[in-house]
Amino acid sequence: NAGVMQNPRHLVRRRGQEARLRCSPMKGHSHVYWYRQLPEEGLKFMVYLQKENIIDESGMPKERFSAEFPKEGPSILRIQQVVRGDSAAYFCASSPLRSRGSYNEQFFGPGTRLTVL
Amino acid sequence: GENVEQHPSTLSVQEGDSAVIKCTYSDSASNYFPWYKQELGKRPQLIIDIRSNVGEKKDQRIAVTLNKTAKHFSLHITETQPEDSAVYFCAASSPTSYDKVIFGPGTSLSVIP
Repeated sequence: NAGVMQNPRHLVRRRGQEARLRCSPMKGHSHVYWYRQLPEEGLKFMVYLQKENIIDESGMPKERFSAEFPKEGPSILRIQQVVRGDSAAYFCASSPLRSRGSYNEQFFGPGTRLTVL
Repeated sequence: GENVEQHPSTLSVQEGDSAVIKCTYSDSASNYFPWYKQELGKRPQLIIDIRSNVGEKKDQRIAVTLNKTAKHFSLHITETQPEDSAVYFCAASSPTSYDKVIFGPGTSLSVIP
């Protein structure tokens, strides 16, 4: 059973370009979360998605950032018109469909390290 | 929303000694408290978790305690080894916030051989 997969692992963009980060959850997992980690800082929640639904996007910047998790294919975090401050590691995590009484154990992908020149 | 604080931010211990990391949370409805270990350049990895219906859980050299009344929880690592050196994150999850997991700022643990 493959773990959470993210690609690309490293992404370099110039200011003003678009960045697309992909996350494939573990097999059987239907919940995806995106986190941003600035150098030597903690994990900041960005967005929580289920298939075709955004459940909670309270951590997403209001502009330039969007996320989706289509019925087929990976979840995508899209950053438009990137700026230097967007340089960070972006991790996604997945968890299984919760049954009553279960808890939200999350498994992380290897991350995408975005560098904006 | 949930806010998780974590202390200390850095911790150095001699190999073989114990390390304790403490966290507090704000949402009294939180019911799941995982701990993650992140080595340099790697992904966070779940090392242990505790649910709100228990006060303590142990797994070999690692133990977690939870005090729901005080909204405190702690990670204890005994007989530390150099390979325990990493950043440790506590976290809390509440059903009132879609069960999303909110992380503390992290503790950088260094185990000195």
